[in-house]
Amino acid sequence: AQSVTQPDIHITVSEGASLELRCNYSYGATPYLFWYVQSPGQGLQLLLKYFSGDTLVQGIKGFEAEFKRSQSSFNLRKPSVHWSDAAEYFCAVGASGLTGGGNKLTFGTGTQLKVEL
Amino acid sequence: SAVISQKPSRDICQRGTSLTIQCQVDSQVTMMFWYRQQPGQSLTLIATANQGSEATYESGFVIDKFPISRPNLTFSTLTVSNMSPEDSSIYLCSVVRQLQETQYFGPGTRLLVL
Repeated sequence: AQSVTQPDIHITVSEGASLELRCNYSYGATPYLFWYVQSPGQGLQLLLKYFSGDTLVQGIKGFEAEFKRSQSSFNLRKPSVHWSDAAEYFCAVGASGLTGGGNKLTFGTGTQLKVEL
Repeated sequence: SAVISQKPSRDICQRGTSLTIQCQVDSQVTMMFWYRQQPGQSLTLIATANQGSEATYESGFVIDKFPISRPNLTFSTLTVSNMSPEDSSIYLCSVVRQLQETQYFGPGTRLLVL
């Protein structure tokens, strides 16, 4: 069974500082990996995804993530955080294969990001 | 992407009653899912809504409690039956347009059961 671990429940950074949110996954094959963001009272918005190919993926709002198979990680980064980035961030893994891709996502417990002005 | 709407956006219900949540997509999609997000928790998949057949439920979720319909390729409903305060959650539907594509989420339905 697939699983996702986000070891940091809360992170606080100053505006303009760099950010890295950690995500480790467990999956028997090559995973499909996602980062979603949830602002207060909102649904989930896709930040970026990794299906195959280049292990460094670029997303919206200046975010990027790097897939490291050897470490089973898919950490999210942003070089300079803005106050509007304060939200909850979820890493997710999806089953690969013919019926996989975006199918049956397993989510991590989320990381709440606070941005200090 | 996909434009997904959910109705109602929020509701307050009495225990023992049932609530049906609707999910509408702006175009045909291959797969539709229903998730639950309990307060302060992550998302948990309830079931896959199958068009024209019974939904596929995940472990811990049963049809009697969460009946699901999907009459066509753009619409699905989730009913939360015989509600208790433990059912207070955000319920989200999500869709996949084509196999091996990204899953997009609706805005969610915030349910409070008193």
